[in-house]
Amino acid sequence: NAGVTQTPKFQVLKTGQSMTLQCAQDMNHEYMSWYRQDPGMGLRLIHYSVGAGITDQGEVPNGYNVSRSTTEDFPLRLLSAAPSQTSVYFCASSKTRLSEQFFGPGTRLTVL
Amino acid sequence: AQSVTQPDIHITVSEGASLELRCNYSYGATPYLFWYVQSPGQGLQLLLKYFSGDTLVQGIKGFEAEFKRSQSSFNLRKPSVHWSDAAEYFCAVGARQAGTALIFGKGTTLSVSS
Repeated sequence: NAGVTQTPKFQVLKTGQSMTLQCAQDMNHEYMSWYRQDPGMGLRLIHYSVGAGITDQGEVPNGYNVSRSTTEDFPLRLLSAAPSQTSVYFCASSKTRLSEQFFGPGTRLTVL
Repeated sequence: AQSVTQPDIHITVSEGASLELRCNYSYGATPYLFWYVQSPGQGLQLLLKYFSGDTLVQGIKGFEAEFKRSQSSFNLRKPSVHWSDAAEYFCAVGARQAGTALIFGKGTTLSVSS
């Protein structure tokens, strides 16, 4: 089991560029989430999915899109990167909504 | 709306001393409660969780937490801290209604002095 994998580990973008952060899990978990972590702000939920084909917004969804075409994958798209999106992004998955969340290693994104 | 407050941003304790990290939640009913730990440069790992029943829950690495409904608190404790416990600790709340996700507190950074 690889658990939750995220690519890339590091990324530098210019303002206005778009990109996709990849997240995959091999535990057959229904629940997947994306968080961003900023100093002093804790983890803030961006988007989450309760199963393939079902997604919903979290606390800070603006500027991000998600889709869930398979159980395994939950990519996060930045439509037009802004410096305010400089952050560390974590993907997490869990068997059910309230079971233990397994976190990926994170993607450190810098937007210039 | 549910929320989580961790009043202490940074705590320093001596190795071998006891530890208590505070967590207060705001929610209309009994929520699901979690404590996660994040070591530097790593993702988060579950320490323990409370769903119902015994209000004192045991977790990994010698941690325990006590749910106090009257105080809306779920404080994390450890009787004797080790240097390897230095990390950031997050309290999280899960609502019982379907279709929602965990809400995390802002975290408490623990430093351990020798």
